[in-house]
Amino acid sequence: DVKVTQSSRYLVKRTGEKVFLECVQDMDHENMFWYRQDPGLGLRLIYFSYDVKMKEKGDIPEGYSVSREKKERFSLILESASTNQTSMYLCASSFWWTSITEQGVPNQPQHFGDGTRLSIL
Amino acid sequence: SQQGEEDPQALSIQEGENATMNCSYKTSINNLQWYRQNSGRGLVHLILIRSNEREKHSGRLRVTLDTSKKSSSLLITASRAADTASYFCATDGRANFGNEKLTFGTGTRLTIIP
Repeated sequence: DVKVTQSSRYLVKRTGEKVFLECVQDMDHENMFWYRQDPGLGLRLIYFSYDVKMKEKGDIPEGYSVSREKKERFSLILESASTNQTSMYLCASSFWWTSITEQGVPNQPQHFGDGTRLSIL
Repeated sequence: SQQGEEDPQALSIQEGENATMNCSYKTSINNLQWYRQNSGRGLVHLILIRSNEREKHSGRLRVTLDTSKKSSSLLITASRAADTASYFCATDGRANFGNEKLTFGTGTRLTIIP
């Protein structure tokens, strides 16, 4: 079974701090994603990566950066935390569709971690 | 803007009844996916339906897709208390071909009353 592990379930930080959220997957997935989830807004994509050292902005990248130095690990960085970044953060991973020869369909199912509930005080 | 939007926002039914949730989207897709999220947990993939498919089954789940109306429905038959969760549809947008992004709706909160 695919396992996506997020380093913390709950995290409390102060405004202005640099915050690191870590995510590790064990299925050799090419794609990794960071979302934030807020009531009434659903999941919004912050950043995603389709290969080591590659990254692309999602819908709400402002105030965030990411790092992917190894295939299995994708880190989300809040450069200077602010109270409006209090949220549930979800990491996900998936296969790049061309590596699934028997499926042959883009956007393979994403596998999610259990989330990090981050509070910025 | 949201690509997928679920309807209703919340649904409460008695255990044993069937639950139907709907999803509407705006642009052409390669596929549409449904996910479940239990309270305080991550999302779990339930089913994927391709744009050239009209109906798909998985256990007690039945998904339909109408690309002419840009809509999908998820039916859960013989509901159980364990089905209590939020359900999300996710679409890729055909313009995003090769760009592995999904857009999630805001979800339907399903409560099964024992």
